[in-house]
Amino acid sequence: GAVVSQHPSRVICKSGTSVKIECRSLDFQATTMFWYRQFPKKSLMLMATSNEGSKATYEQGVEKDKFLINHASLTLSTLTVTSAHPEDSSFYICSARMAQSYEQYFGPGTRLTVT
Amino acid sequence: GENVEQHPSTLSVQEGDSAVIKCTYSDSASNYFPWYKQELGKRPQLIIDIRSNVGEKKDQRIAVTLNKTAKHFSLHITETQPEDSAVYFCAASIWNRDDKIIFGKGTRLHILP
Repeated sequence: GAVVSQHPSRVICKSGTSVKIECRSLDFQATTMFWYRQFPKKSLMLMATSNEGSKATYEQGVEKDKFLINHASLTLSTLTVTSAHPEDSSFYICSARMAQSYEQYFGPGTRLTVT
Repeated sequence: GENVEQHPSTLSVQEGDSAVIKCTYSDSASNYFPWYKQELGKRPQLIIDIRSNVGEKKDQRIAVTLNKTAKHFSLHITETQPEDSAVYFCAASIWNRDDKIIFGKGTRLHILP
């Protein structure tokens, strides 16, 4: 149980275009989902916290107009990277938490390459 | 906000020996401390966690200790095996407040044959 999926697993896009990444909790309802970015050989940096039905809370330094997060249901959150640039190339990972649980369950990640 | 420091950044250990990774945190309100193992290109995997009301927890070859007063926590891996080679992250979280997990910078563990 407690499986989180992400789609797509890999995406290559041209500079200036937008990319949407989906994060789904497959067998539980996620009251909160989190989005992280991980550059090569670096740690996971939290970008934003997303609660179902409300606006996402962004970490300091993360542009909310560039990284649009939608958490429309208890099983789906999406991250849209708008007007992507090569410096946005990274590994994006989501995690999901169910109510009253300590543990967060991580998705397999999405590798974004912007050319 | 919370800041998690992790040392060392790289650790090489002879197979069969023990490995120790140390972390400190800054926010005394943190009450949940998970440890993750991440292999290249994969998602982080929870290997053990500890809550602030417990000083030590063990699961087979893996143990974690927590010193709340000093705001230190450590991961101990005994009888290391080649498959233990990976990057390990410590993390801290304030459960039931914002639940954000803040990660340390990671330790690359190499198990030498």
